[in-house]
Amino acid sequence: DGGITQSPKYLFRKEGQNVTLSCEQNLNHDAMYWYRQDPGQGLRLIYYSQIVNDFQKGDIAEGYSVSREKKESFPLTVTSAQKNPTAFYLCASSSLATEAFFGQGTRLTVV
Amino acid sequence: GEDVEQSLFLSVREGDSSVINCTYTDSSSTYLYWYKQEPGAGLQLLTYIFSNMDMKQDQRLTVLLNKKDKHLSLRIADTQTGDSAIYFCAEKGFQKLVFGTGTRLLVSP
Repeated sequence: DGGITQSPKYLFRKEGQNVTLSCEQNLNHDAMYWYRQDPGQGLRLIYYSQIVNDFQKGDIAEGYSVSREKKESFPLTVTSAQKNPTAFYLCASSSLATEAFFGQGTRLTVV
Repeated sequence: GEDVEQSLFLSVREGDSSVINCTYTDSSSTYLYWYKQEPGAGLQLLTYIFSNMDMKQDQRLTVLLNKKDKHLSLRIADTQTGDSAIYFCAEKGFQKLVFGTGTRLLVSP
């Protein structure tokens, strides 16, 4: 089945740790996106990538990093510099001619 | 820059029509979308409209686009309790996909 997969579904991070959230798609989409959603809030764009080996900062990139070494994969690392990382993280992909498809999200909690 | 705005909350009775409104600012947007989010889940695409269209109907859903005013609306006919969720509009310009703040729809029996 074609789709976009995020893992893990739940993730716990200790203070000062880096953690990496996985996002994989087999839809052959060029563009991939990471969003953060806080309780009762909308989606804020963290990073996006239009093509392999290239990515741009979104509105709230500080404390996050990404890579795009393969078309199918766009992992997001939440670094220790992100002071308030507890949130719901959503990954999406799209092509020029299609709508955006979303993964089921990863809920990150700092413990 | 891009900015997408929605009202935060809408409450309707079961069987009524719901209308969720959205305004956007990027006139170069090629696609405009409506997504639905249920608690703890990702976003599910409901419908979308090309920027050169005025209206699109899909079963109980009707999307209206006023390009001059940069206004998008989603009408849900015969709203059911299962329609209770957060609804996001989004615009897709040349590079970015930008979402509104979301409208929480509450349907009461």
